[in-house]
Amino acid sequence: DVKVTQSSRYLVKRTGEKVFLECVQDMDHENMFWYRQDPGLGLRLIYFSYDVKMKEKGDIPEGYSVSREKKERFSLILESASTNQTSMYLCASSPPGAGANVLTFGAGSRLTVL
Amino acid sequence: GENVEQHPSTLSVQEGDSAVIKCTYSDSASNYFPWYKQELGKRPQLIIDIRSNVGEKKDQRIAVTLNKTAKHFSLHITETQPEDSAVYFCAASKGIYNQGGKLIFGQGTELSVKP
Repeated sequence: DVKVTQSSRYLVKRTGEKVFLECVQDMDHENMFWYRQDPGLGLRLIYFSYDVKMKEKGDIPEGYSVSREKKERFSLILESASTNQTSMYLCASSPPGAGANVLTFGAGSRLTVL
Repeated sequence: GENVEQHPSTLSVQEGDSAVIKCTYSDSASNYFPWYKQELGKRPQLIIDIRSNVGEKKDQRIAVTLNKTAKHFSLHITETQPEDSAVYFCAASKGIYNQGGKLIFGQGTELSVKP
């Protein structure tokens, strides 16, 4: 089974702090995604990457950046955390080609910004 | 860009009844429509998907239908069981054949199956 591991399940940060959310997958997937999940809003795409050092903006990239230095790792960065970034963050990965849209999700990182 | 609307936001049924969740999408170029199930405290998992060249797909008690003309698709669960209780998300993509295609999700439906 593909495993997508998010390093932190729960984080509490203060406004203005820099926050790193780490995601690692172990099945050599090309594609990786960061979503945030909020009640009533579903899953909204923040950024995605289909290759090392490649990144594409999703629908809500403002206030976030990403890093993909290695194929297996995709990091989400909040340069200066704000209270409206309190949310559940889900990382996902998928293989190339016809399977590109079959996502395997991590367990999620619940971030609280005080 | 693509927009996916999902209804209802909550759905409560008696065990054994059927449940139907509906989604509409805006981009007529979308060609892939998956459904994900997220049980409480767990990660979303793919339960069924359909491609634009197919009108209906079944897998045991779940089925998905697609109407490309009307740009809507639906999830049907028959003979519901308590373990079907979860949040269900629909999604749409036009990138199925292209690496890096992105999925746009609906808002989610919280299904409760009462014993």
